Amino acid sequence: GAVVSQHPSRVICKSGTSVKIECRSLDFQATTMFWYRQFPKQSLMLMATSNEGSKATYEQGVEKDKFLINHASLTLSTLTVTSAHPEDSSFYICSARDLREVTGELFFGEGSRLTVL
Amino acid sequence: DQQVKQNSPSLSVQEGRISILNCDYTNSMFDYFLWYKKYPAEGPTFLISISSIKDKNEDGRFTVFLNKSAKHLSLHIVPSQPGDSAVYFCAASAQGGSEKLVFGKGTKLTVNP
Repeated sequence: GAVVSQHPSRVICKSGTSVKIECRSLDFQATTMFWYRQFPKQSLMLMATSNEGSKATYEQGVEKDKFLINHASLTLSTLTVTSAHPEDSSFYICSARDLREVTGELFFGEGSRLTVL
Repeated sequence: DQQVKQNSPSLSVQEGRISILNCDYTNSMFDYFLWYKKYPAEGPTFLISISSIKDKNEDGRFTVFLNKSAKHLSLHIVPSQPGDSAVYFCAASAQGGSEKLVFGKGTKLTVNP
């Protein structure tokens, strides 16, 4: 099946620094990618929808200036957590839809564990 | 308001037996449903899906049942294997699956040898 790769898988940073997470679709093109956040013992929470060549659409309550999303190409979307704080520590997951698929199946990245000290 | 609910946070079954994971939804616009499996520290992987025009979809050991009138779906795993131990997420979407997914909180399945 289609593969979505995230990098880095784990990152530890100091409070106040910025961290960039990449999401790549390896063998298909995706005009739309999604960024999720998962808190311990909770569901996946959709943060934003990343659209290639245009601004991301953020869900209610998600700070767009804090979580910068860039979808520069059909195979790459990046999430930058700016001025990270310990409460931003979480598991961030991206997903993408294959343009050829109309059934709604999403392919997920492996996730990136962010720890802010 | 939680539109997709998985009321059982955990489930434990014996190897070889059937695992039944349940999911309820409230939004009548949902017409496409998916189940994802997630191991710790990994992203979810797609398991099986069902469109609202069907009431059953089967793929190997996995079967999803949809009861539209009750707004309820379930995932059956038969026979259960220890490798099935994971968190299972139910997700729903509108517009035939082209809208964003709404996830339940997940059910942690443990299959005991």
